[in-house]
Amino acid sequence: KAGVTQTPRYLIKTRGQQVTLSCSPISGHRSVSWYQQTPGQGLQFLFEYFSETQRNKGNFPGRFSGRQFSNSRSEMNVSTLELGDSALYLCASSLEASFDEQFFGPGTRLTVL
Amino acid sequence: GENVEQHPSTLSVQEGDSAVIKCTYSDSASNYFPWYKQELGKRPQLIIDIRSNVGEKKDQRIAVTLNKTAKHFSLHITETQPEDSAVYFCAAVNTGTASKLTFGTGTRLQVTL
Repeated sequence: KAGVTQTPRYLIKTRGQQVTLSCSPISGHRSVSWYQQTPGQGLQFLFEYFSETQRNKGNFPGRFSGRQFSNSRSEMNVSTLELGDSALYLCASSLEASFDEQFFGPGTRLTVL
Repeated sequence: GENVEQHPSTLSVQEGDSAVIKCTYSDSASNYFPWYKQELGKRPQLIIDIRSNVGEKKDQRIAVTLNKTAKHFSLHITETQPEDSAVYFCAAVNTGTASKLTFGTGTRLQVTL
């Protein structure tokens, strides 16, 4: 079974731009969660999608948004990028809920200049 | 919402010694506690988990204990090996409400020869 994939793997953007990251979950997995990982801050939860609906949301500003498609693939968008948005963005898929075993993707490394 | 604190943030042990990582949680309704391991440059992976109806669970050299009264749980690694060097994340969630999985900030374990 293919693992979770994320594209692109690396991104360099400048302040004020926007970015879209993509996540393809394991086949059959319906829950997709997104995390921001920075040194010392661990895994900060962004949001979780299930059946094309946002089920949970973390404490991030409205510049961070996401969506899920009918095939469970998910995208997240960050608008008006700030320097502090530089991080590794991980998505994780699980069968039905975030408390099922989560399978993480390799992440997208975003650098904002 | 749930808040998970994890200590220590870094831990250095000699090969063969034991390592203990501790987490506390705030929501007494949380009933599922997984641990994820992230090796350098790799994605987090589930290594062990425990549910609130169990006080201890063991899998070879790793074990997790749970004290519901005190709202804390711990990861124990015995006979540490260099391949145990990684960042370990604890997490907590109330599975009854389809809530998000809340992670601790991580512990960087270094096993020295």
